Amino acid sequence: DVKVTQSSRYLVKRTGEKVFLECVQDMDHENMFWYRQDPGLGLRLIYFSYDVKMKEKGDIPEGYSVSREKKERFSLILESASTNQTSMYLCASSPIGAGYGYTFGSGTRLTVV
Amino acid sequence: KNEVEQSPQNLTAQEGEFITINCSYSVGISALHWLQQHPGGGIVSLFMLSSGKKKHGRLIATINIQEKHSSLHITASHPRDSAVYICAPTYNNDMRFGAGTRLTVKP
Repeated sequence: DVKVTQSSRYLVKRTGEKVFLECVQDMDHENMFWYRQDPGLGLRLIYFSYDVKMKEKGDIPEGYSVSREKKERFSLILESASTNQTSMYLCASSPIGAGYGYTFGSGTRLTVV
Repeated sequence: KNEVEQSPQNLTAQEGEFITINCSYSVGISALHWLQQHPGGGIVSLFMLSSGKKKHGRLIATINIQEKHSSLHITASHPRDSAVYICAPTYNNDMRFGAGTRLTVKP
């Protein structure tokens, strides 16, 4: 069964910590995405990547960075976590091509205290 | 402003009721997805459609490309249908998301 795996379901970090969220997909998909999901706002795109070592800013990249050293792995980095980054983070992947759906990970609920 | 508008934001129904969730979007699309998210976070795709209507069990999705509008219907709703339903129009390879409709079906 194909899947997108996020390393943690729940995470609690302190303000100012550097936080790594890992995402791995086993479908050989070219595209990978990081979203955050907040009540009433839906999913908002943080960063995406169309290829290894390639990254593009989404709608809300401030306070985040990403790394894609291997095709199957896309990491989201919070350089200095803040309380307003408390959220649900979802990773997704998709193949290249118009209209293909995304496969989502189970999400990581991050709380910054 | 979110370019994808979903309504209602919250919906409570009694078991057996017919449910409709609406979605409007602002630009041309290559396809539209309806997604389901259960408590705990995981998102699964219910439908992908680019025209007309699709049916899967008790779920029906329709789309009107000219009016930039799609609906998701649930017939004979059941408590296990309780979830957040998300409309996601896709522009080439770029998927956008509505804010979601939280459906609660009471027994």
